[in-house]
Amino acid sequence: SQQGEEDPQALSIQEGENATMNCSYKTSINNLQWYRQNSGRGLVHLILIRSNEREKHSGRLRVTLDTSKKSSSLLITASRAADTASYFCATDADPYSGAGSYQLTFGKGTKLSVIP
Amino acid sequence: EAEVAQSPRYKITEKSQAVAFWCDPISGHATLYWYRQILGQGPELLVQFQDESVVDDSQLPKDRFSAERLKGVDSTLKIQPAELGDSAMYLCASSGTSGGDSYEQYFGPGTRLTVT
Repeated sequence: SQQGEEDPQALSIQEGENATMNCSYKTSINNLQWYRQNSGRGLVHLILIRSNEREKHSGRLRVTLDTSKKSSSLLITASRAADTASYFCATDADPYSGAGSYQLTFGKGTKLSVIP
Repeated sequence: EAEVAQSPRYKITEKSQAVAFWCDPISGHATLYWYRQILGQGPELLVQFQDESVVDDSQLPKDRFSAERLKGVDSTLKIQPAELGDSAMYLCASSGTSGGDSYEQYFGPGTRLTVT
């Protein structure tokens, strides 16, 4: 079963605009990760945020985490055509929750299209 | 840069036939994962290995799927007999997890299986 749910399912923006994707999850987590998948390819890790962190930056990426609301957001600033891809959030279960450790549960993804 | 290798990249097979996928993780990564990704969905874990041992195969349909990692390095996922519903992308990932923390997962390019 999939724990995370990304919102929106699809997003289309113009190059240079910012893109925001949201992720909600159901159970307590150890960390949350965001991955990118270009069409028909494997996933590429973007950023990891731990449960005790609230915000993290990496280049043009900004991730926030609100554990009280069980939600996260991924912001891509100044988007480029090359950012066109599907973006997935993945949660790593709290090791004390009884769930398998070092296992990621992925959402269904947000399909981002950046129009040149 | 080290990568996860998978072969074949594409496989077309008739239902009731046997099919096998191969994965070579990043050197030194003890943990290996096989995922299935249906079009438009996120990856779902099939089996997790720690070295040569299966950590979790609770989501693996064991009547037709099998996975092995005999020497704790490369791995093979087999389906016999294949069914139409098995058509999907099969992704392999590895990570350098060790006690106390979890790490990002590195994904291979995947094998796109079409069952006719």
